[in-house]
Amino acid sequence: AQSVTQPDIHITVSEGASLELRCNYSYGATPYLFWYVQSPGQGLQLLLKYFSGDTLVQGIKGFEAEFKRSQSSFNLRKPSVHWSDAAEYFCAVVPSTGGFKTIFGAGTRLFVKA
Amino acid sequence: DGGITQSPKYLFRKEGQNVTLSCEQNLNHDAMYWYRQDPGQGLRLIYYSQIVNDFQKGDIAEGYSVSREKKESFPLTVTSAQKNPTAFYLCASTGGVGTGELFFGEGSRLTVL
Repeated sequence: AQSVTQPDIHITVSEGASLELRCNYSYGATPYLFWYVQSPGQGLQLLLKYFSGDTLVQGIKGFEAEFKRSQSSFNLRKPSVHWSDAAEYFCAVVPSTGGFKTIFGAGTRLFVKA
Repeated sequence: DGGITQSPKYLFRKEGQNVTLSCEQNLNHDAMYWYRQDPGQGLRLIYYSQIVNDFQKGDIAEGYSVSREKKESFPLTVTSAQKNPTAFYLCASTGGVGTGELFFGEGSRLTVL
């Protein structure tokens, strides 16, 4: 079955430290891959996406993600976290063969300590 | 600015009552979606519509109904048949087949008293 796994329910990092959020997917073919961010009580906003080509993609707010086909992973990174990055982060996939259904991971809540 | 507007932001209802959540978009998107969000469960798809006057059930459609009479509007009714309706509801849209990128409204929080 198609699935997206975010193994960390929550992560706490110090402000200024680096961040990596993990995402693994289970799919027959390489899907389109996305990371979204959600502030409390708000909707989701797209951070970045991968369709094809360069496996390192840059997004908004200084985030980047690397696609690794051999590991079926699409981990999100940021070199220096700011207090405003505290939010919930969702990894998501869409079939590259075309389709309307996005599959979301359960999310990782990021806490930032001063 | 283009975007998706959901209303109301907060809604309280008594058990046994139906309630309708509004979703309007001015992005000229064909496809629209309703998701339910519960803590620790990510987003689950309730219904989606690819075109006016057509919609399909998602993974958790029981107890919900929708309509798509206009391209810009996709209201969701939470009926009394929904056993556990207290949740955060998110409406989204996407511009075309295969792009996948979703644009979200700010959500509606429904609490059943």
